[in-house]
Amino acid sequence: DAGVIQSPRHEVTEMGQEVTLRCKPISGHDYLFWYRQTMMRGLELLIYFNNNVPIDDSGMPEDRFSAKMPNASFSTLKIQPSEPRDSAVYFCASSRPGDRDYEQYFGPGTRLTVT
Amino acid sequence: GQSLEQPSEVTAVEGAIVQINCTYQTSGFYGLSWYQQHDGGAPTFLSYNALDGLEETGRFSSFLSRSDSYGYLLLQELQMKDSASYFCAVRSPTFKAAGNKLTFGGGTRVLVKP
Repeated sequence: DAGVIQSPRHEVTEMGQEVTLRCKPISGHDYLFWYRQTMMRGLELLIYFNNNVPIDDSGMPEDRFSAKMPNASFSTLKIQPSEPRDSAVYFCASSRPGDRDYEQYFGPGTRLTVT
Repeated sequence: GQSLEQPSEVTAVEGAIVQINCTYQTSGFYGLSWYQQHDGGAPTFLSYNALDGLEETGRFSSFLSRSDSYGYLLLQELQMKDSASYFCAVRSPTFKAAGNKLTFGGGTRVLVKP
């Protein structure tokens, strides 16, 4: 089975540009999570969805960040406009329903550099 | 809010045993997870404790004491490939709805030497 798929794997953009990160969760998983990892702040949860519905977006840093999940197979995280402090590795993760819903499967991440 | 404390770095030799402690303060608690992350890689799930006691999975074991808000990950028979960062994470409900939210500690970097 394919794992969580993220694209692009690397993104370099200039300050002020719009950035869109994409994620395809594992088929059958009903939770999807977006995380950001930096040396300073560690691994922090930005937002998560259950059955395509956003449940908790309290980790989204500010209005420049938005996330959508139009269907069970696809989610996007958008930053507009981007700033140098947004540079980080962004991970998407998913988990399945049932008695092992505590196990999250992470994608390979998108390394974002904003210059 | 949530806070987790774990040591920043541990060094040990091949074949040794390493214990990584994690203490947490949380509003609401479902369980404690452990994840491994190699440099440049993604976190991968190792273990989960919802109840007090020890869970063993091969060379790795995880322990939880809910009354002490404390857990640890035990790495036995260390191998070079175990050099990685290890994160504890509290699974807890969110203020909006019960769910599957993880809050991660800062990670412990384990360096295994020959």
